Amino acid sequence: GQQLNQSPQSMFIQEGEDVSMNCTSSSIFNTWLWYKQDPGEGPVLLIALYKAGELTSNGRLTAQFGITRKDSFLNISASIPSDVGIYFCAGRNYGGSQGNLIFGKGTKLSVKP
Amino acid sequence: DTAVSQTPKYLVTQMGNDKSIKCEQNLGHDTMYWYKQDSKKFLKIMFSYNNKELIINETVPNRFSPKSPDKAHLNLHINSLELGDSAVYFCASSQSLGYTFGSGTRLTVV
Repeated sequence: GQQLNQSPQSMFIQEGEDVSMNCTSSSIFNTWLWYKQDPGEGPVLLIALYKAGELTSNGRLTAQFGITRKDSFLNISASIPSDVGIYFCAGRNYGGSQGNLIFGKGTKLSVKP
Repeated sequence: DTAVSQTPKYLVTQMGNDKSIKCEQNLGHDTMYWYKQDSKKFLKIMFSYNNKELIINETVPNRFSPKSPDKAHLNLHINSLELGDSAVYFCASSQSLGYTFGSGTRLTVV
């Protein structure tokens, strides 16, 4: 089945640093999504990307849908302590009435004040 | 006001018991899902329902039986619980774009 490779698996950074994480897929996706999960909560959607090459920002977050449709990255600028959490990429390929959303294994972000 | 709510938040039970987790969404979405998150935080889809009809059933043991009485509810019933069923179970819903997740049910089988 389809698999997403998300890296890095974890990051430990200083407050104020920029962060970059990415996902690659063995097959093409029509949609890329980035989620953040706080402890004890469900994933929350940060950014959704629908077109190859699309670059979208949400505050300090920027994500891009790769031209090949097999990859995406998420950047966080000037990290702050509340950025701590697990970030998941997810890809979706529409098949049948509605495609399945497949998740990467997550990037655990720790921010040192 | 919660968009996707699931109950209970924590569930501790003995092996062999039968338990249910309930999920309700007030977003008017047509599709609902159950995901399982293991100890390594990997999220794997279990079931997908669209307008009360099952459309995805991944390789999940048949001890797991979803039930959708209407399109706002998708409950998960688990028979004969095993130690390996311990995980966090997330309900989610979607219309066409991103999924909205509940806050999860942490199931511990002892």
